[in-house]
Amino acid sequence: GDSVTQMEGPVTLSEEAFLTINCTYTATGYPSLFWYVQYPGEGLQLLLKATKADDKGSNKGFEATYRKETTSFHLEKGSVQVSDSAVYFCALLIQGAQKLVFGQGTRLTINP
Amino acid sequence: DTGVSQDPRHKITKRGQNVTFRCDPISEHNRLYWYRQTLGQGPEFLTYFQNEAQLEKSRLLSDRFSAERPKGSFSTLEIQRTEQGDSAMYLCASSLAQGAGEKLFFGSGTQLSVL
Repeated sequence: GDSVTQMEGPVTLSEEAFLTINCTYTATGYPSLFWYVQYPGEGLQLLLKATKADDKGSNKGFEATYRKETTSFHLEKGSVQVSDSAVYFCALLIQGAQKLVFGQGTRLTINP
Repeated sequence: DTGVSQDPRHKITKRGQNVTFRCDPISEHNRLYWYRQTLGQGPEFLTYFQNEAQLEKSRLLSDRFSAERPKGSFSTLEIQRTEQGDSAMYLCASSLAQGAGEKLFFGSGTQLSVL
């Protein structure tokens, strides 16, 4: 079935470090791919998305490129801030289906 | 736009009791979703509505679970005869139907604890 596998956490970095959170997927169709973020005490928020191969989603300094050949959608940021501390979820949506399939989440902590 | 709101934020109940949660979506959104999230895991799809019609239900949704969206606006999720395994965060989301890459807006969830 359709599934998403994320890099295991927790991840702890110092401020201004480079961030990569790995995400790979298995899907029977042609999914759209998403990164959602959950800040402490808040609901899930869409961070970025890509709807077809080679698309790059970007928002708030974060980027992820839809790689069909490696079935990956890794999240990157060049210089993280303390305010980026949150749980990050990679997810896919199969076209024509209406359910997001989430990875298990990666908890990120940024220390000053 | 006040976002997706869920009530209550927390619910503690005894095993065997019935519980009901409410979700108020963003007003112009025609799709509404319920997900369940356990500690350390990503959300799992339970069911979704387009307007008042329930179009898909996960196999996770046993006969003890029922969801309604009577007028295509707010929705309720009821769990009958709760079990300890029902303890989880129940998330509601809404969206406006569109093509690929539809954006879901999530509420803050209802945390259920079954004792």
